[in-house]
Amino acid sequence: GENVEQHPSTLSVQEGDSAVIKCTYSDSASNYFPWYKQELGKRPQLIIDIRSNVGEKKDQRIAVTLNKTAKHFSLHITETQPEDSAVYFCAARYGNKLVFGAGTILRVKS
Amino acid sequence: DGGITQSPKYLFRKEGQNVTLSCEQNLNHDAMYWYRQDPGQGLRLIYYSQIVNDFQKGDIAEGYSVSREKKESFPLTVTSAQKNPTAFYLCASSIGQGEAPQHFGDGTRLSIL
Repeated sequence: GENVEQHPSTLSVQEGDSAVIKCTYSDSASNYFPWYKQELGKRPQLIIDIRSNVGEKKDQRIAVTLNKTAKHFSLHITETQPEDSAVYFCAARYGNKLVFGAGTILRVKS
Repeated sequence: DGGITQSPKYLFRKEGQNVTLSCEQNLNHDAMYWYRQDPGQGLRLIYYSQIVNDFQKGDIAEGYSVSREKKESFPLTVTSAQKNPTAFYLCASSIGQGEAPQHFGDGTRLSIL
């Protein structure tokens, strides 16, 4: 079925450390994987996305990796800062729609 | 994104009442979506529309209805048949389907009186 598993559900890191969030998907036909950041009470904001013809994509301190064989993709945040604290959602395309993971609460302690 | 406007920001529903949430976009996007967000959960798709005068049910369409009479507008009605409507509702749009990034509005928080 259409499913996206996201782990961990909560993640606490010290400022300056790296954070990694992992997602797995079930449909090998999925070919688009966005990541969203949502601050408390606000709209989800797209922070990075990757398509299945690419294995890795970077944008400053964030990167996403995709393993199509294993059907999982990960978000990497380096040199974390307090403003990185938020809920992060992964998603995978199934047909004409996105299916979202349950989210990861990231807390960056200063 | 300033191009997607949801209203109202807060909405209260009485028992047996239908309420309508507004979503307007000026991004010239073809596709529009409605999601429901509950605490500690991800976004669940209610309805989506790929083109004017056409829409499809998402994963949790029961108790909801939509219309797409104009490209810019995709209102969501929460009917009295939806027994647990308290949630944060998010509208999104994208330039196309599938691989196109979805951009979200600020959301409407619906509560029961």
